[in-house]
Amino acid sequence: NAGVMQNPRHLVRRRGQEARLRCSPMKGHSHVYWYRQLPEEGLKFMVYLQKENIIDESGMPKERFSAEFPKEGPSILRIQQVVRGDSAAYFCASSPTGAEAFFGQGTRLTVV
Amino acid sequence: EDQVTQSPEALRLQEGESSSLNCSYTVSGLRGLFWYRQDPGKGPEFLFTLYSAGEEKEKERLKATLTKKESFLHITAPKPEDSATYLCAVQAGNRDDKIIFGKGTRLHILP
Repeated sequence: NAGVMQNPRHLVRRRGQEARLRCSPMKGHSHVYWYRQLPEEGLKFMVYLQKENIIDESGMPKERFSAEFPKEGPSILRIQQVVRGDSAAYFCASSPTGAEAFFGQGTRLTVV
Repeated sequence: EDQVTQSPEALRLQEGESSSLNCSYTVSGLRGLFWYRQDPGKGPEFLFTLYSAGEEKEKERLKATLTKKESFLHITAPKPEDSATYLCAVQAGNRDDKIIFGKGTRLHILP
């Protein structure tokens, strides 16, 4: 059973461009979490999704950020019109029940 | 508001020197408390889930314990390969509650 797959592993975007981060959960997992991590800091919750539903997006900025987890295909975290402050590591985790969550290796976004 | 506080922020130990990491939490009912290990440049690796006060889990040199207000991760006779950041996370007992993390303890084991 493959683990949580995130791609790309590294993403460079110019200011004003869009960033699309993909997360394929483990087989049989219908719960997905997205977190953001800055160097030397903990994981900051962004959004919690179940298939086709956003359960909790309280950690996600209201503007420029959106997330989806469609019935088929990976979960997508989209950041529009990126700014330098969006540079960070973004981690996705999946869970079969919404409790124990298993993480991918992350996408490191650099905005230049 | 649900909160997780880990201490110390960083810890340096000699190989073989046992110690404990602390995770204090404030949550409206506890569904689960989780421990993870994170190596530089990698995603967190799941270690343990604890559900109720008094519960203990063990894995190799690590043992996690839980009380009503805090959890401890005990490291017995650590080796250099145990060096990592250890993260604690909690999930409240309400349905559909998110998992929130502490800032972690950076552990360095000297050979």
